[in-house]
Amino acid sequence: DTEVTQTPKHLVMGMTNKKSLKCEQHMGHRAMYWYKQKAKKPPELMFVYSYEKLSINESVPSRFSPECPNSSLLNLHLHALQPEDSALYLCASSQEGRGWRGQTEQYFGPGTRLTVT
Amino acid sequence: KNEVEQSPQNLTAQEGEFITINCSYSVGISALHWLQQHPGGGIVSLFMLSSGKKKHGRLIATINIQEKHSSLHITASHPRDSAVYICAVRLFNAGGTSYGKLTFGQGTILTVHP
Repeated sequence: DTEVTQTPKHLVMGMTNKKSLKCEQHMGHRAMYWYKQKAKKPPELMFVYSYEKLSINESVPSRFSPECPNSSLLNLHLHALQPEDSALYLCASSQEGRGWRGQTEQYFGPGTRLTVT
Repeated sequence: KNEVEQSPQNLTAQEGEFITINCSYSVGISALHWLQQHPGGGIVSLFMLSSGKKKHGRLIATINIQEKHSSLHITASHPRDSAVYICAVRLFNAGGTSYGKLTFGQGTILTVHP
């Protein structure tokens, strides 16, 4: 199984809603990532988890709250978002974790297309 | 100036043509990735390179570490190859590790006409 799955595929939410994006992988990867991608732009890294611990937070606003409940799951909790947060949210995973000296590929999920109204 | 530069930004080809997309970077890297993204879709990893050349089907990727340059070639292009191709590099941080963080180029939009 070399797949990263994301749910939901599409999400429309109001600025006062609370919602969550989910990501799952069963490849035994210990590093998981959240990216945000605006139209016609490359992905921007938001968060990195290594061995279920937050390793990198790229100065993301607190209205985005990541959670890694176990080694296979990664959530992104959304609250009080703004219309400019509308984007494709991509999850990825890779085999490396502690030490980060390996060079392994990142496997990306299909993304959740988020629209904030 | 971006740390990762791709060229061309847009590329149109006829089916069957040989295609080359270039990627240049300005800093030391531990690995370079070529990624493919179809419109509205997720990202597929095509290659990860740290030296030399890799081939998979009609796709070939090369990297020249000394010149800080990589190319992605598509032989016998097909309309289903139409996608955005993204070059991404893993930079070394001060501690000599790279924390898995990728720095992305702006992407090359490839359109292959039948």
